[in-house]
Amino acid sequence: SQQGEEDPQALSIQEGENATMNCSYKTSINNLQWYRQNSGRGLVHLILIRSNEREKHSGRLRVTLDTSKKSSSLLITASRAADTASYFCATEFQGAQKLVFGQGTRLTINP
Amino acid sequence: DARVTQTPRDKVTEMGQEVTMRCQPILGHNTVFWYRQTMMQGLELLAYFRNRAPLDDSGMPKDRFSAEMPDATLATLKIQPSEPRDSAVYFCASGLVFRGGGDEQFFGPGTRLTVL
Repeated sequence: SQQGEEDPQALSIQEGENATMNCSYKTSINNLQWYRQNSGRGLVHLILIRSNEREKHSGRLRVTLDTSKKSSSLLITASRAADTASYFCATEFQGAQKLVFGQGTRLTINP
Repeated sequence: DARVTQTPRDKVTEMGQEVTMRCQPILGHNTVFWYRQTMMQGLELLAYFRNRAPLDDSGMPKDRFSAEMPDATLATLKIQPSEPRDSAVYFCASGLVFRGGGDEQFFGPGTRLTVL
């Protein structure tokens, strides 16, 4: 399967701590994207990193991409209760022009 | 504030009935995607259109599902006849995709389908 694998499946931390989620994939990509989904709602795009980029920042989010290891990580710093959600990585494989989503990481921020 | 809209938001129907879900993509986006989300399978791509032309529907059960884009403001996903295993949340998303690759996708709120 081309589907990305996310690790961990679930993560529970205290408010204010940092949260790190990882994503691995199997074939060459054009880009990798991270999305957030609050319970019962649609997915919201967080950040896109292209295959020639190694790191991107957006507010409290930091995404890294290691194409040699075929992996990416999403770091959320100074977590807040509102960050509680499921986080998905999605990969656009070369030649595909469509996204394949991982199973997601369920993040719980405890106040 | 441009956004993708989907109707209906919730649909409960009986096995064997026809179900039609509608999506209005963001104006100017050239690609429309249909996804299905279940606890067991996660988020699966069913079909997608580029400039209203179907590009890939390999994720869709062909015998009962059909997807169309009659104009640039409307995409439809139809199930006929529906079965209990079709129960899921169906998302529509739109975005800009070019030869060199795509950009972010904007998701609608989804249609929660329950087939009894």
